[in-house]
Amino acid sequence: EIVMTQSPATLSVSPGERATLSCRASQSVSSNLAWYQQKPGQAPRLLIYSASTRATGIPARFSGSGSGTEFTLTISSLQSEDFAVYYCQQYHAWPPLTFGGGTKVEIK
Amino acid sequence: QVQLVESGGGVVQPGKSLRLSCAASGFTFSSYGLHWVRQAPGKGLEWVAVIIDDGSDQFYADSVKGRFTISRDNSKNMLYLQMNSLRVEDTAVYYCAKDRRLGGYDFDHWGQGTLVTVSS
Repeated sequence: EIVMTQSPATLSVSPGERATLSCRASQSVSSNLAWYQQKPGQAPRLLIYSASTRATGIPARFSGSGSGTEFTLTISSLQSEDFAVYYCQQYHAWPPLTFGGGTKVEIK
Repeated sequence: QVQLVESGGGVVQPGKSLRLSCAASGFTFSSYGLHWVRQAPGKGLEWVAVIIDDGSDQFYADSVKGRFTISRDNSKNMLYLQMNSLRVEDTAVYYCAKDRRLGGYDFDHWGQGTLVTVSS
């Protein structure tokens, strides 16, 4: 099983600032990595797939990078609606498909 | 637009069974793999099971293998999860989710979730 580790667990950021979230895989997942955003009481929403491709309708301030075992989600200028929990997910080797534990982005 | 609507959640005693349903619309149902993903209260996401587009193959997380069965009815655009021998640790919101592309196994649409509570 590929273990996904996200850091930090909580990120405190002021509106308008940049947020950088990390995701590490226990073995290479190539570029088979997705990022999701989840707000309280809502289902997750796909932000990024194939490590760096924005999903339909996702604003350009969200960007993904990395390959192999190290990945980054960057939010260039945080808006109020971006405060949420973010999860990475690998779909390179399965079953099982695996998620990271999440990073909560909160208002500083 | 794509819609996934789960139903069937509720409170059930340990050892009992429950069947979840997911009604799909807005896409060619028989062309995509479908998944169940769960989230325990206050916890992260856990993938549960997948069924491929024609229903001929299914895969499960070890935590549910032998107890849960995923199935689909392509004539009715319905996805199911039969949950037997339920345990307290199965308590979670259960989401159905659709593959972004056939065989892709990332999820571009999710339902709103249905809560399953296993408690005596």
